[in-house]
This record gives sequence, structure tokens and C-alpha cells, in this order.
Amino acid sequence: QKEVEQNSGPLSVPEGAIASLNCTYSDRGSQSFFWYRQYSGKSPELIMSIYSNGDKEDGRFTAQLNKASQYVSLLIRDSQPSDSATYLCAVNEDTGRRALTFGSGTRLQVQP
Amino acid sequence: DGGITQSPKYLFRKEGQNVTLSCEQNLNHDAMYWYRQDPGQGLRLIYYSQIVNDFQKGDIAEGYSVSREKKESFPLTVTSAQKNPTAFYLCASSKEAASKEQYFGPGTRLTVT
Repeated sequence: QKEVEQNSGPLSVPEGAIASLNCTYSDRGSQSFFWYRQYSGKSPELIMSIYSNGDKEDGRFTAQLNKASQYVSLLIRDSQPSDSATYLCAVNEDTGRRALTFGSGTRLQVQP
Repeated sequence: DGGITQSPKYLFRKEGQNVTLSCEQNLNHDAMYWYRQDPGQGLRLIYYSQIVNDFQKGDIAEGYSVSREKKESFPLTVTSAQKNPTAFYLCASSKEAASKEQYFGPGTRLTVT
């Protein structure tokens, strides 16, 4: 099985700063990339999807994809304490399996 | 009000008993998925189904069984053969079998003693 790697953290940033979360994947043929936010004890919530190289912005969130480097990132601008959660990277691998592969997540702590 | 429901939220069972977790969706999604999450870990795929009456094993299918008799429903049975069944179980669905955006239910926390 191919892999999706994330630094487990915690990543600690002060309120108002930019949080940068990173994810690498092993399957070069991957086509679809997703970021989920998961609060403690809750289920994951989809916050961003990206399918082509470059940046995609949605409010305070920006997803960045670089297929050549097999790297996808999530930037959170003006971080708020309510952004404190675990962020999961998920990839649709080009293996014929119609399901996502998830990384283990990065825990983000935004300090007020 | 569309969404994915899972019941119950918390479930306690004695070792050796089979238990069935419910997952229902009214989003008219074709594909449904079951994941398991252990503390501090990511999601691991148990089973998935792209259409009614068809399903495939995921990475950790041993000790689990599923059925997909209706588009809206994808129940998961945790059998006594599953060696470490205590975990957080998440059901998800997506509009197409091509597995684009997946949306999750609230989860069932199973504790087996």
C-alpha cells in the first residue's frame, strides 16, 4: 500500500499567525487531495480539496499542491484558537482502489 | 436535512460477542466506507462499497463483515474474530464511486471488555 506522511506535531503557533501543515505522498499517480479537520472526540470534517498543481484559496485556508514533489500543504492565515485540532491529509491513489488513504494527522495548537 | 447518521454513539460489549454498527445516509451517495481510528492514529479503511450489493475489503477487513442491501445503508458487524475491536468507527459516503469528497458521520465509539 502506498503511504501518506504527516508530521504528528504538535505544531504550536500564536493567535493571528500563519499555520503551515505539510503532507507527502508516495503514489506519483495520485489525482485528488483533501484536507480534513478533526476536533478531539469528533469525526473528520472536509475543509479543502485540490486536484491540480498550484494554490487554491477558501477564506483563511489555502491548499497548495506540487505533484512533481509529491507534496501538498495547507496554510491557515490569521490562526484562531478555534483552529486547534488535528488536520488529516487524504489522497486518492491511482491504484484502482476507489477509496482514500489518510495520513495520521498533524495536531495544531493555536496559543491565545 | 441531509447527512450521515451512525448509531449508537457509544457501544459497550463483552468480549466474544458480535456487534453491528449502523450507518445511514440520505445524501443519495453511491459510495460508502467504513474506517477505524485508534487513539493518536489516522483512519484505516475496513470496507467500502461503490454500489448496492457490492463491496470490497479495505486494509484491515479481518474480523469484520458488511452488507449493502440498500443504497442508504451500510452496516458493519464487528465479529468475535476481531482481536482488538475497541476503537472509534467512522462511516463515510461520497457522491460517486470515483471517491471524490468523502463526508463522515459522527462516529461510534466501541468499547469491548
